[in-house]
Amino acid sequence: DTEVTQTPKHLVMGMTNKKSLKCEQHMGHRAMYWYKQKAKKPPELMFVYSYEKLSINESVPSRFSPECPNSSLLNLHLHALQPEDSALYLCASSQGRVGNTEAFFGQGTRLTVV
Amino acid sequence: RKEVEQDPGPFNVPEGATVAFNCTYSNSASQSFFWYRQDCRKEPKLLMSVYSSGNEDGRFTAQLNRASQYISLLIRDSKLSDSATYLCVVNTPPNRNSGGSNYKLTFGKGTLLTVNP
Repeated sequence: DTEVTQTPKHLVMGMTNKKSLKCEQHMGHRAMYWYKQKAKKPPELMFVYSYEKLSINESVPSRFSPECPNSSLLNLHLHALQPEDSALYLCASSQGRVGNTEAFFGQGTRLTVV
Repeated sequence: RKEVEQDPGPFNVPEGATVAFNCTYSNSASQSFFWYRQDCRKEPKLLMSVYSSGNEDGRFTAQLNRASQYISLLIRDSKLSDSATYLCVVNTPPNRNSGGSNYKLTFGKGTLLTVNP
């Protein structure tokens, strides 16, 4: 089962709202990732967790706050976003050392900030 | 030089054609290489890992040339269902200057393929 589940699939939020994106995998993967993808662009890495510890933060603004409550779950807390933050947010996971093995992606959350 | 560069495309080919995608990477310390496909408004899905010896999966063949830092994907007898964006993915080493310790997966910009009837 190579499934990464993300909720919600779609989200519309105002600039003053606080919301959270959720990601879950039960493949025993110890690396989990958040990517952001704008239309007609490749995914851009935001954060990486390795063994539940934040190992990479690609200089992401603090209005995005990741959290890894346990080895199966990854959250992305959103606060005071801007319209330009509207994008597809993809969660992924991989086995073994971060970045050395293939990553499996969830279906993504399509976020619109109004 | 960008970390991962791909043919800009788009490619439009008839059914049954053979199509090749090329990708170069800048960091000779990269160790892992993949091709993903992404359908419109969907998530990227792993198509193939790429090994030094080259590997084949049905109509798809991937090759790696470490000396030239070059990866390729060949699709033979293309089908309508092959229409998608093909993404070259390379793991890039940590930036030691910033204290990084983990490799990360870096995506090329992708090449859009449309297979026409």
